[in-house]
Amino acid sequence: LAKTTQPISMDSYEGQEVNITCSHNNIATNDYITWYQQFPSQGPRFIIQGYKTKVTNEVASLFIPADRKSSTLSLPRVSLSDTAVYYCLVGDKEGTYKYIFGTGTRLKVLA
Amino acid sequence: DTAVSQTPKYLVTQMGNDKSIKCEQNLGHDTMYWYKQDSKKFLKIMFSYNNKELIINETVPNRFSPKSPDKAHLNLHINSLELGDSAVYFCASSHGQATNTEAFFGQGTRLTVV
Repeated sequence: LAKTTQPISMDSYEGQEVNITCSHNNIATNDYITWYQQFPSQGPRFIIQGYKTKVTNEVASLFIPADRKSSTLSLPRVSLSDTAVYYCLVGDKEGTYKYIFGTGTRLKVLA
Repeated sequence: DTAVSQTPKYLVTQMGNDKSIKCEQNLGHDTMYWYKQDSKKFLKIMFSYNNKELIINETVPNRFSPKSPDKAHLNLHINSLELGDSAVYFCASSHGQATNTEAFFGQGTRLTVV
């Protein structure tokens, strides 16, 4: 089973860059790495996805080293509205793929 | 239009009752899921359907029975509700099953069993 490990919680201040790292030592060759964001009382929402190196979109950047055993979600200049739980997912193929969520990282942005 | 919609949003019921949660997606996806999020915020997959066919059935009590009348709907029926069933249930959908696809989640159904 591919498992992910993330810090349980992080605090940051508005305007700072936040980096959340996820470990996935058993990632399979064909697996992608996906990050989701969940606000209270809402379903998870897709943020970014990558396979290797670096991916950037309007919301975040995703850094993946060559061995792909970890990944780092980078949120530039966070605001109070970025307070949420962030989940790192990797594929877990047992005949078919499924989205396995880890414990997530609870990010709290302070004023 | 809401991409993945669940009803009801809140459900309070007594132990032993039978209840259903409905889910509909208008994204044209062929794969739908049910997740359970407990009080500790752990999200666990329960079921996955692809083109109306059951693909994933995690270790879930037989009291939980998903039904997919068509590709756009995946309903969850729960028999003989227990206190431990209290949780938030999320429906999701995706195009295909590989992990390079994006899953879209509904707003969740908060089930409280008293």
